[in-house]
Amino acid sequence: DVKVTQSSRYLVKRTGEKVFLECVQDMDHENMFWYRQDPGLGLRLIYFSYDVKMKEKGDIPEGYSVSREKKERFSLILESASTNQTSMYLCASSDRGNYNEQFFGPGTRLTVL
Amino acid sequence: DQQVKQNSPSLSVQEGRISILNCDYTNSMFDYFLWYKKYPAEGPTFLISISSIKDKNEDGRFTVFLNKSAKHLSLHIVPSQPGDSAVYFCAVNQGGKLIFGQGTELSVKP
Repeated sequence: DVKVTQSSRYLVKRTGEKVFLECVQDMDHENMFWYRQDPGLGLRLIYFSYDVKMKEKGDIPEGYSVSREKKERFSLILESASTNQTSMYLCASSDRGNYNEQFFGPGTRLTVL
Repeated sequence: DQQVKQNSPSLSVQEGRISILNCDYTNSMFDYFLWYKKYPAEGPTFLISISSIKDKNEDGRFTVFLNKSAKHLSLHIVPSQPGDSAVYFCAVNQGGKLIFGQGTELSVKP
């Protein structure tokens, strides 16, 4: 059974903390994505990566960075967490050339106090 | 400004009836149009897609219709089942990036 796993289901952090959200996929996919989901806004793309060590900005990259040192792992970093980054964060992966069918992890609900 | 809009946040349907979920988009250059389904506490899962060169695609109980002149996409579920209760997101593929709508929560009542 194919899987995308995320390191935490729930996370509570303080304003100004550095936060790492980890995502691992076991499907040998080239493409990986980070989204955030907010009520009334749907899913919005933060960053994505087509290959190891490659990264591209999505629609809302401000306040975030990413790291992809290994093919199976894609990390989202909040350098200095703020309350407006409280959200559900979803990681996804897809095979090379297939951007339509993305496989999502269960999400991390991050609360920044 | 949102390029993909789902104007109905929720929809309630009786089991066995048709569910129709709607989506509007602004850019006529999109190549693919998609529907994803999301259950609580799970990530979205891909449901069905349609290419911009087609106007209908069917997969079992699910049919997606594309009206390019109206820039409108719809998903029909016939017959609806209680297990279809979920949030449905439409999305478009713009150069390899997916742009999602806000989602519509479908509730199918027994």
